Amino acid sequence: DQQVKQNSPSLSVQEGRISILNCDYTNSMFDYFLWYKKYPAEGPTFLISISSIKDKNEDGRFTVFLNKSAKHLSLHIVPSQPGDSAVYFCAAFGPFLGTYKYIFGTGTRLKVLA
Amino acid sequence: SQTIHQWPATLVQPVGSPLSLECTVEGTSNPNLYWYRQAAGRGLQLLFYSVGIGQISSEVPQNLSASRPQDRQFILSSKKLLLSDSGFYLCAWSEPGRSSPLHFGNGTRLTVT
Repeated sequence: DQQVKQNSPSLSVQEGRISILNCDYTNSMFDYFLWYKKYPAEGPTFLISISSIKDKNEDGRFTVFLNKSAKHLSLHIVPSQPGDSAVYFCAAFGPFLGTYKYIFGTGTRLKVLA
Repeated sequence: SQTIHQWPATLVQPVGSPLSLECTVEGTSNPNLYWYRQAAGRGLQLLFYSVGIGQISSEVPQNLSASRPQDRQFILSSKKLLLSDSGFYLCAWSEPGRSSPLHFGNGTRLTVT
């Protein structure tokens, strides 16, 4: 049973437009959420995070939105650039099976077209 | 600043051979340490985590093991590799306590032949 889901395996966006990546979770006890960017053959790089007490966090071109009632978070990238092309993972942190863990989604491959 | 080193970057090993992957963290004390494996289409699977020297929690029963001989050193091992052990292995660390990001190393691509 996947606790964190990224239902879109891939997404293509024109350069300069907005990229919206989505993530759903099932465990209402998760209280901290993160987005990572990953290039091939490299480790994931931390992008941005949000605590469950907030509904929005912004860092430059990246904004994360959290909708606790829907158990949904999204990452907005504006404007999208070709260098943003990568796999994006969302993660949730919180109590799971007796301890605190980071649970990752399966990733969404973003392609920004020049 | 904190840095994480993971080696080797790539490794090709025959079935039945042993494995040792090493990870070290600099610039922090008493970090939480993690080993993940990335499989295609399955995201990042947590294998082991450690909150202190000698303290290892296993998430997935398999023929891999982990050890933490020093505060900032984390080792992933196997006595006999299986074909199914092939994958991309990632070491990561986080600050102790809650609500802090995971920081990953550059990973090791392991191919078992």
